[in-house]
Amino acid sequence: QVQLQESGPGLVKPSETLSLTCTVSGGSVSSGSYFWSWIRQPPGKGLEWLGFLYSSGSTNYNPSLKSRVTLSLDTSKNQFSLKLTSVTAADTAVYYCAGGTYYFDYWGQGTLVTVSS
Amino acid sequence: IVLTQSPATLSLSPGERATLSCRASQSVSNYLAWYQQKPGQAPRLLISDASNRATGIPARFTGSWSGTDFTLTISSLEPEDFAVYFCQHLNTFGQGTKLEIK
Repeated sequence: QVQLQESGPGLVKPSETLSLTCTVSGGSVSSGSYFWSWIRQPPGKGLEWLGFLYSSGSTNYNPSLKSRVTLSLDTSKNQFSLKLTSVTAADTAVYYCAGGTYYFDYWGQGTLVTVSS
Repeated sequence: IVLTQSPATLSLSPGERATLSCRASQSVSNYLAWYQQKPGQAPRLLISDASNRATGIPARFTGSWSGTDFTLTISSLEPEDFAVYFCQHLNTFGQGTKLEIK
């Protein structure tokens, strides 16, 4: 069973870069069978997709965030990562890493990131 | 593509039948999933390809579709079914339906 676990700072200052890592167990991030993704959920609101990452390293990003978001793989650690630059209070949310074959079969438990000085 | 879920909130009692809707703004074929999210938890995949239950999902959850209209039916509500439900196609999520106890 594939399991995902997010890690990273829970507090980020405005204008700085939010960096999160997702550690995958029970599956390989380099497997062509899976895609990987980051999804966020502002408090009390719905789900917003941030981007897709494939075993080849290719990516698709949410156009509304494209200039600020970067997803990357670390196959040596079986991890994938999110970087979101120039954050504001509007980026405060629970951030989930997720993955699957065609749908989001697997989710991390989520990590709350607050943007505040 | 926009996914519009209705109603926003559905108030029912245990044992009742729940019908949740998700309408796509254009054809998505049957490439639609349903997720359940309980407070403080990550979403959980319930239904894929519009009508296929994910592993371990009880038979009371049924997905169906006609054209661009998708439906999640819970035949007889159990206490643990009260949650928020989202539909999803590729990189788009619906806004969610909150199923609450009446």
